[in-house]
Amino acid sequence: GENVEQHPSTLSVQEGDSAVIKCTYSDSASNYFPWYKQELGKRPQLIIDIRSNVGEKKDQRIAVTLNKTAKHFSLHITETQPEDSAVYFCAAPFAGNMLTFGGGTRLMVKP
Amino acid sequence: DAGITQSPRYKITETGRQVTLMCHQTWSHSYMFWYRQDLGHGLRLIYYSAAADITDKGEVPDGYVVSRSKTENFPLTLESATRSQTSVYFCASSAGARADTQYFGPGTRLTVL
Repeated sequence: GENVEQHPSTLSVQEGDSAVIKCTYSDSASNYFPWYKQELGKRPQLIIDIRSNVGEKKDQRIAVTLNKTAKHFSLHITETQPEDSAVYFCAAPFAGNMLTFGGGTRLMVKP
Repeated sequence: DAGITQSPRYKITETGRQVTLMCHQTWSHSYMFWYRQDLGHGLRLIYYSAAADITDKGEVPDGYVVSRSKTENFPLTLESATRSQTSVYFCASSAGARADTQYFGPGTRLTVL
C-alpha cells in the first residue's frame, strides 16, 4: 500500500509569514494529492488538491506543488492569518479510491 | 457538508458492549469510508464500501463490522467494545470510481470505559 510521511508535525509562524508543509509518498502510480484542514473539534475539510498532470495549483493564499520524480508534494500558505491555525493533513491514493493520510501538521499562527 | 451526517455525536459505553455508529449521506455517493482518529496516528481507514453490499477492510479492521444494505447508509459496529477503541470516528463519502474528494461527516466521539 501507500506510505505517506508528513513534515513537520508542528509549525509555528508569525502572522503574515509563509508556512510550508511537505509530504512524501511511496507509490509512483499515485495521481491525486489532496490537502485537508481540520480545525479543533471539527471535521477534516478539503482545501486544495492536485492531480499528477500539473506541477502547481493555486487558490488565493494557498498553493500546492508536486514533484513526481522525487515523489513529494507541498502545501504553501502565504500571508498567514490566525484563522489558518489548524491541523493540516496530506493524503495520497492507493488501491484506486482509497486515501492514505499523513500524520498531520499542527500549524499555529501567532498574532 | 450537511449531506453527510453521523449519529450519535458522543457515546460512552462499557467494555464488552456492542455499539453501532451510524453514517448517512444524501448525495448518492458510491464510496463510503470509516476512519478512526487518534492522537499521534492521524486518520486510519477501518473499512470502506464501493457500493451497496460491497465492503472491504482497511488498515485497522479488527474488532469492527460494517454493512451497507442501502447506498446512503454505512453503519459501523463494534461487536465487543474495548478501551483501545476509544477514539473519534469519522465517516466519509466520495462520488468517483477513481481517487477523488472525500467529504467527511462531523464525527462521533466514542469513549469505552
